Amino acid sequence: DVKVTQSSRYLVKRTGEKVFLECVQDMDHENMFWYRQDPGLGLRLIYFSYDVKMKEKGDIPEGYSVSREKKERFSLILESASTNQTSMYLCASSQQGAGYGYTFGSGTRLTVV
Amino acid sequence: LAKTTQPISMDSYEGQEVNITCSHNNIATNDYITWYQQFPSQGPRFIIQGYKTKVTNEVASLFIPADRKSSTLSLPRVSLSDTAVYYCLVGDTPGGYNKLIFGAGTRLAVHP
Repeated sequence: DVKVTQSSRYLVKRTGEKVFLECVQDMDHENMFWYRQDPGLGLRLIYFSYDVKMKEKGDIPEGYSVSREKKERFSLILESASTNQTSMYLCASSQQGAGYGYTFGSGTRLTVV
Repeated sequence: LAKTTQPISMDSYEGQEVNITCSHNNIATNDYITWYQQFPSQGPRFIIQGYKTKVTNEVASLFIPADRKSSTLSLPRVSLSDTAVYYCLVGDTPGGYNKLIFGAGTRLAVHP
């Protein structure tokens, strides 16, 4: 069964810490995405990548950066965590081109205290 | 970006057929229509995808009229485990990157 694996299910970090959220997919997908999901706001796209070392800003990139050094791995980095970044973070991947659905990971619930 | 509009919530009972309609007036020629299901504390799960007419799989059917300005997800004989949020998405494919924008979704509650 194909999978998108997020390294942590729950994470608690302190304000100002640098936080790494890791995502690995085993489907050889070209595209990878990071979303955050908050009550009442739905899923919002933070960053996406369509190839190794390539990245594009989504709708809410402020306070985040990403890294994609290998095709299967897409990391989300919170340079200096703040309480307003407390959220559920979801990673997804998809095949290149139109008409392909996303496969999502189970999510990482991050709490910044 | 083609935006979608769907009901905020729906209620149904076990064994009934549920139809959730989504409007997407600005859908582009190359866009596909995709539906996802999400349970609490889980990532969304792909249900079905179509371009035009009707698509059916083991989980649901998707009806798309000729003008493609709307679509209807049909869930046959729902059970309590179908209680979830359902998202209708229209694919935004700049350069084939297949970036999808999620709306608020429809919260379906299935009652005994």
